Amino acid sequence: DTEVTQTPKHLVMGMTNKKSLKCEQHMGHRAMYWYKQKAKKPPELMFVYSYEKLSINESVPSRFSPECPNSSLLNLHLHALQPEDSALYLCASSQLGTREYNEQFFGPGTRLTVL
Amino acid sequence: AQKITQTQPGMFVQEKEAVTLDCTYDTSDPSYGLFWYKQPSSGEMIFLIYQGSYDQQNATEGRYSLNFQKARKSANLVISASQLGDSAMYFCAMREINTGNQFYFGTGTSLTVIP
Repeated sequence: DTEVTQTPKHLVMGMTNKKSLKCEQHMGHRAMYWYKQKAKKPPELMFVYSYEKLSINESVPSRFSPECPNSSLLNLHLHALQPEDSALYLCASSQLGTREYNEQFFGPGTRLTVL
Repeated sequence: AQKITQTQPGMFVQEKEAVTLDCTYDTSDPSYGLFWYKQPSSGEMIFLIYQGSYDQQNATEGRYSLNFQKARKSANLVISASQLGDSAMYFCAMREINTGNQFYFGTGTSLTVIP
């Protein structure tokens, strides 16, 4: 199984709503990532989890709250978002370690619209 | 300084022709991996090809090849016999082995294949 799944595929929410994005992989990868991507721009790293611990937080506003319940699951909890947070949210996973060949596997993304 | 530089915001190529997408990188880590991803309008990031810093030969995967010039710090993607389905955004990325599990992405090149 070389797949990263993300749910939901699309999400529309108001600025006062609370919602969660979910990501799952069963490749045994111990690094998981959240990216935010605007149209025609590169992915912007938000968070990295290594061995289920938050290892990188790229100064993301607190209205985004990540959670890694176990080695296969990654959640992104959303609360009080702004319209400028509308974007494609991508989840990825990779092996950890010192091998160069540790590509990232990406999920299909969640298209988020904040009204 | 930018870790990954892609200087071609947009490229056009005639169907069945070859096209080269440029990528230069900046690192002082002797161990690193270079990756190319394709992102169609659907949003999914698709891994295409990988080159390791110690690899002696240029990587090839079907119609994709990587022109790796280590001294120039360049890792250009060559797509041969372009197809209409190759129209997409293409991102070059790098992972430095000794500085954690972060991937650095370039700004991307939008490729359009003309029938």
